[in-house]
Amino acid sequence: EVQLVESGGGLVQPGGSLRLSCAASGLTLSDHHMDWVRQAPGKGLEWVGRSRSKARRYSTEYAASVKDRFTISRDDSKNSLYLQMNGLKSEDTAVYYCARDAPLAPSKTAFDIWGQGTTVTISS
Amino acid sequence: AIQMTQSPSSLSASVGDRVTITCRASQDITNDLGWYQQKPGKAPKLLIYAASTLQSGVPSRFSGSGSGTDFTLTISSLQPEDFATYYCLQDYSYPLAFGQGTKVEFK
Repeated sequence: EVQLVESGGGLVQPGGSLRLSCAASGLTLSDHHMDWVRQAPGKGLEWVGRSRSKARRYSTEYAASVKDRFTISRDDSKNSLYLQMNGLKSEDTAVYYCARDAPLAPSKTAFDIWGQGTTVTISS
Repeated sequence: AIQMTQSPSSLSASVGDRVTITCRASQDITNDLGWYQQKPGKAPKLLIYAASTLQSGVPSRFSGSGSGTDFTLTISSLQPEDFATYYCLQDYSYPLAFGQGTKVEFK
């Protein structure tokens, strides 16, 4: 079964750091573009960032709201994706999802596999 | 950055109704648009990509249309399991952007 499982969420004080993990089973993450999407309590979905596939040298893109604070990385040996979050703010409080961009059509994005999400709460 | 505006923000409908949700982009995004369904406490689910291509396994009552700046998601005959929140997502350029969502509620 193809599955993504996020972990690492928790309660952190403003200004703190946290690293989220997204572990894959049933697929090889390095073959795919992978994204992080978040959802603040009671709010809509917000795209956070992308790590392109190994063939694209794991190049990254970020939303303006997290650029220079968040970093996406991978560990091929663990078939995992990470989101390092520094300088956390109250507005970063959200459920964070990792999602695979399916290779369904050239240059088209389609998040076909999602994790269950991990909750990050920023509060003093 | 491209802004995505969805309408309506919510709607009430009955089983069997035809439901239409629209998404407007702040600039031409060709057909680089997807639609997602989300139920409370669950991860989103891909319905449509490239504006009109139905994802495998998604019922044919869902359809998408549009190009350029104006897009539509249509549910031809609403079923009980379709009560959810729907989001569009532009993938024409970075940063990717979701619409604010449309909640489909039971009338």
